[in-house]
Amino acid sequence: NAGVMQNPRHLVRRRGQEARLRCSPMKGHSHVYWYRQLPEEGLKFMVYLQKENIIDESGMPKERFSAEFPKEGPSILRIQQVVRGDSAAYFCASSSDRGSGMNTEAFFGQGTRLTVV
Amino acid sequence: AQRVTQPEKLLSVFKGAPVELKCNYSYSGSPELFWYVQYSRQRLQLLLRHISRESIKGFTADLNKGETSFHLKKPFAQEEDSAMYYCALGGGYNKLIFGAGTRLAVHP
Repeated sequence: NAGVMQNPRHLVRRRGQEARLRCSPMKGHSHVYWYRQLPEEGLKFMVYLQKENIIDESGMPKERFSAEFPKEGPSILRIQQVVRGDSAAYFCASSSDRGSGMNTEAFFGQGTRLTVV
Repeated sequence: AQRVTQPEKLLSVFKGAPVELKCNYSYSGSPELFWYVQYSRQRLQLLLRHISRESIKGFTADLNKGETSFHLKKPFAQEEDSAMYYCALGGGYNKLIFGAGTRLAVHP
């Protein structure tokens, strides 16, 4: 099992362009989470998705950001018309179905470092 | 509001010294707390969770509901413990709320 795979590892975009970040969860995992880490800060929750559904997007900026997790293929975090303030590390995590109601372990990818120039 | 506070950005100790990384939380319900670790050039990984009451790599953490704390402790630090440590609060269905992290530097 290769673990959670994110690509690209590094992405450079000019202001106004679009950024697409991909996340392939671990085999057998149907829950995906996206986090953003600004310099010198902790990871901030953005969105939680299950296959074809957004469950919680309370941490997503209202504009320019969107996420999807289609039936086939990776989860995509899309940032339209990027600005310098979007420069950050974006981490994806996945987990399996919850059993007893406890939080199951979330496994993290290595992140995508987005730089907006 | 759900919040996790790690007051120290950097903790620097010598090998063999005791270590305590502080974590305080704010949560109205019954909390689930975790410590994650990120070694250099590696991905974030779970170190331990309060519900399992286990010791991993010599680290332990006790949930103190009265003080709303979940400090991470190790009696004798090793150089290989140098890493970023994140305390996290389970905010429901794996929605983890992270602290800002503490960098532990263990010197020979």
